[in-house]
Amino acid sequence: EAQVTQNPRYLITVTGKKLTVTCSQNMNHEYMSWYRQDPGLGLRQIYYSMNVEVTDKGDVPEGYKVSRKEKRNFPLILESPSPNQTSLYFCASSSGISYNEQFFGPGTRLTVL
Amino acid sequence: DQQVKQNSPSLSVQEGRISILNCDYTNSMFDYFLWYKKYPAEGPTFLISISSIKDKNEDGRFTVFLNKSAKHLSLHIVPSQPGDSAVYFCAASGQNDMRFGAGTRLTVKP
Repeated sequence: EAQVTQNPRYLITVTGKKLTVTCSQNMNHEYMSWYRQDPGLGLRQIYYSMNVEVTDKGDVPEGYKVSRKEKRNFPLILESPSPNQTSLYFCASSSGISYNEQFFGPGTRLTVL
Repeated sequence: DQQVKQNSPSLSVQEGRISILNCDYTNSMFDYFLWYKKYPAEGPTFLISISSIKDKNEDGRFTVFLNKSAKHLSLHIVPSQPGDSAVYFCAASGQNDMRFGAGTRLTVKP
């Protein structure tokens, strides 16, 4: 089954404790991205990757890091989480950045205390 | 700077009636538009799309209309069903860019 998986689905942590949210897709997509969803703001892009070893900032990259060492995986790293990073996070993949539907993971709800 | 706007946070309609969800965009470089549907505790899923060379695209109960001069698109659902209750996101795409709206929560009452 074609899918994007994310782990963990729910996470409560404390300020400053490094965490990683994993994302994996099995569709051989070149393009992957991370979004955060906040009330009234919709989906805002954090980082995206056009291919292996190619990553770039989206609209709200501050406080986040990503890596793309393999085509299928695109982890999101919060080196020192802060309460304003409490949000719902989605990973997505597609064949390309434009003119293609994106396939989303189920989401990770993160709470930073 | 929200380049894609969904001005109605919520919409409630009766089962069997038409649901109309609206979306406005500001960037004239956008030339491909998509609608996604999101249920609670799930990721958004693609629903329907339209290219700027068309003004209408239909898929079963779902029709998307595009008015390029007004930079406006709408999603029509006819007839609406309780299972359509979800958050609907509008997205606009151009060269190396995709932007999402804030979403509209649709509730279809039996």
